[in-house]
Amino acid sequence: AQSVTQLGSHVSVSEGALVLLRCNYSSSVPPYLFWYVQYPNQGLQLLLKYTSAATLVKGINGFEAEFKKSETSFHLTKPSAHMSDAAEYFCAVNPWSSASKIIFGSGTRLSIRP
Amino acid sequence: DVKVTQSSRYLVKRTGEKVFLECVQDMDHENMFWYRQDPGLGLRLIYFSYDVKMKEKGDIPEGYSVSREKKERFSLILESASTNQTSMYLCASSSPDGANTGELFFGEGSRLTVL
Repeated sequence: AQSVTQLGSHVSVSEGALVLLRCNYSSSVPPYLFWYVQYPNQGLQLLLKYTSAATLVKGINGFEAEFKKSETSFHLTKPSAHMSDAAEYFCAVNPWSSASKIIFGSGTRLSIRP
Repeated sequence: DVKVTQSSRYLVKRTGEKVFLECVQDMDHENMFWYRQDPGLGLRLIYFSYDVKMKEKGDIPEGYSVSREKKERFSLILESASTNQTSMYLCASSSPDGANTGELFFGEGSRLTVL
C-alpha cells in the first residue's frame, strides 16, 4: 500500500536556524509529491510540488525540497527559520495521478524559538 | 484571489442532530473534496465529487453523505451526529489538471464539536 511517513510530529528550531522536515514515501510508481502548510486556524495551502521535472523544487517563503528517488524521500528545508514559519506541515503523495488518491502524512508541527 | 469558503468555522451540535457543512468555491473547479483532519492522522478523504450531482466515496464515508447540486457548492451532511465525528472538516477543490497532479485549494476549515 502507498504511504507517507513524516518523521517527528513536532520539530522545534531557533529563529535563524536551519529547518529540516522529513518525509519518506512508498510508491510503486513515480509519484507527484507535495508539501502543504497549515497556519493556525486556517486551511492548508500549497507550499511546493514535485511533478517529475527538476528534483530540487523551490516553493514559497524560502522553502525548498529535494526529491531523492533512491531514498524515497522528499525532505523540506529552509536555510533560516523565521517566527512566521510556525505552522503544521503536511507531506503528501499522489501515486496515481488522481486527486482523489492523494495520501497525506500525519503532519509535523514546527515551532520557532526566539 | 481564488477562494474556497466554508460557511461555518465553528459549530457545536448535540448527538443525533443533523449537521450541514457548506462549501463554495469561486474557481469554476470541477472537482471538490471533503476531508476530515484529526491530530496524528493527517487528512482523510470522506467524499469527493468530479461533477455536478456526481460523487464518490473516499476512505471514511461511513456516517456522512454529500450533495452537489451546483458546480460551485459541495455540502457535507452528517445525518445523525455522533461524538466520534468531532473533528476539523476541510473542503478543497481542484481543476482537472490539478486533479491529475493532486494540487488542491483548501477552505479554512469547519471545527465541529458534537456533545
